[in-house]
Amino acid sequence: EVQLVESGGGLIQPGGSLRLSCAASGFTISSNYMSWVRQAAGKGLEWVSLIYSGDNTYYPDYVKGRFTISRDNSKNTLHLQMNRLRAEDTAVYYCAKGRKYSGSYIDYWGLGTLVTVSS
Amino acid sequence: EIVMTQSPATLSVSPGDRATLSCRASQSVSSNLAWYQQKPGQAPRLLIYGASARATNIPARFSGSGSGTEFTLTISSLQSEDFAVYYCQQYNNWPPGTFGQGTKVEIK
Repeated sequence: EVQLVESGGGLIQPGGSLRLSCAASGFTISSNYMSWVRQAAGKGLEWVSLIYSGDNTYYPDYVKGRFTISRDNSKNTLHLQMNRLRAEDTAVYYCAKGRKYSGSYIDYWGLGTLVTVSS
Repeated sequence: EIVMTQSPATLSVSPGDRATLSCRASQSVSSNLAWYQQKPGQAPRLLIYGASARATNIPARFSGSGSGTEFTLTISSLQSEDFAVYYCQQYNNWPPGTFGQGTKVEIK
């Protein structure tokens, strides 16, 4: 059974840093693309980052240069390092598994972890 | 970037009725389209992929159709557990594969 369990969320001041983790089980994260998708309260789904086909990464402009996605294949764990956080980064962050190595839909989602950026 | 536009934003439906949700792409995405369901306080769940294939354990009352730029998700007879927000996502132009803004299906 596929499971994704996020951790590391919390309250952080603007300009601060946070590291999210996603412990995966039931599959091997190196065999699929992995991603982080966020959702602000009452809003839609928004991409945060992707890692695919080895160590290829994708970041939308609104997090590029501030966020870094990585995976520890030995621990089957995905990470998201978030630096220079802004109020607009406040959201529930979901870890998500891609159906294939790259270029496909998401077939499993974690329950999410809440990140609140506020002074 | 391909823009995905869902309509309507909110759909009011009575239990047992049929619901039809639309998703339009700004350019062709072939059949590379997925639908997700999200209930309040829960993570999204995959419903449909490849525009029309039901994901594992998804009831037959959910069906998807379309190709190119026009897609439809139909719920044939709404059950109480189907009231939720539904998102479409194209994965033809990837990364990242854009999401629509969602359609909320509410009880009439």
